[in-house]
Amino acid sequence: GQNIDQPTEMTATEGAIVQINCTYQTSGFNGLFWYQQHAGEAPTFLSYNVLDGLEEKGRFSSFLSRSKGYSYLLLKELQMKDSASYLCAVGEAYSGAGSYQLTFGKGTKLSVIP
Amino acid sequence: NAGVTQTPKFRVLKTGQSMTLLCAQDMNHEYMYWYRQDPGMGLRLIHYSVGEGTTAKGEVPDGYNVSRLKKQNFLLGLESAAPSQTSVYFCASTYPADTQYFGPGTRLTVL
Repeated sequence: GQNIDQPTEMTATEGAIVQINCTYQTSGFNGLFWYQQHAGEAPTFLSYNVLDGLEEKGRFSSFLSRSKGYSYLLLKELQMKDSASYLCAVGEAYSGAGSYQLTFGKGTKLSVIP
Repeated sequence: NAGVTQTPKFRVLKTGQSMTLLCAQDMNHEYMYWYRQDPGMGLRLIHYSVGEGTTAKGEVPDGYNVSRLKKQNFLLGLESAAPSQTSVYFCASTYPADTQYFGPGTRLTVL
């Protein structure tokens, strides 16, 4: 099973940097995903880490430490449109059943203020 | 490509009524998933399918049934709706062990 924790809410100022943390406990690990979800919309993919280290993609970066069960999403040069919920999700593969599932955290609601 | 589509977008049911939610994808993905999202609970997996003709239970399967008769379609059925099934339902699809792509969601209210 999975246990995923992330802060419920965060507030940051336009132009600043914000880090959203995610810790997880899992019996099997096959990748960590970050999704962005604006209010009333579907989640959209942001980043994927399967090995330790930092993945950078424009203003967004994601870090993974498998030994610590820890990831963070870093958002730079915050814009008002970054106000959204950010979902951490851990992937788990079941080779016997031939399946792959994601377990999601409850999400972090980020509010960007002027 | 339309990606992942869901029908309907909104629905109001009375307790005890039945309905079917349709998910369709045109990306030739093998795996498809149904989630529900409730305030404070995050996304929870209801059922999933690893290929045409196969389905399996997720975290919260009670009160729901699914079918995958065609690779591109995944149906979620509620046989006797209950107020506890008021939620936003999302469908997603993927190649195995890859990024999941989500549909726009169905907002269901059960009175």
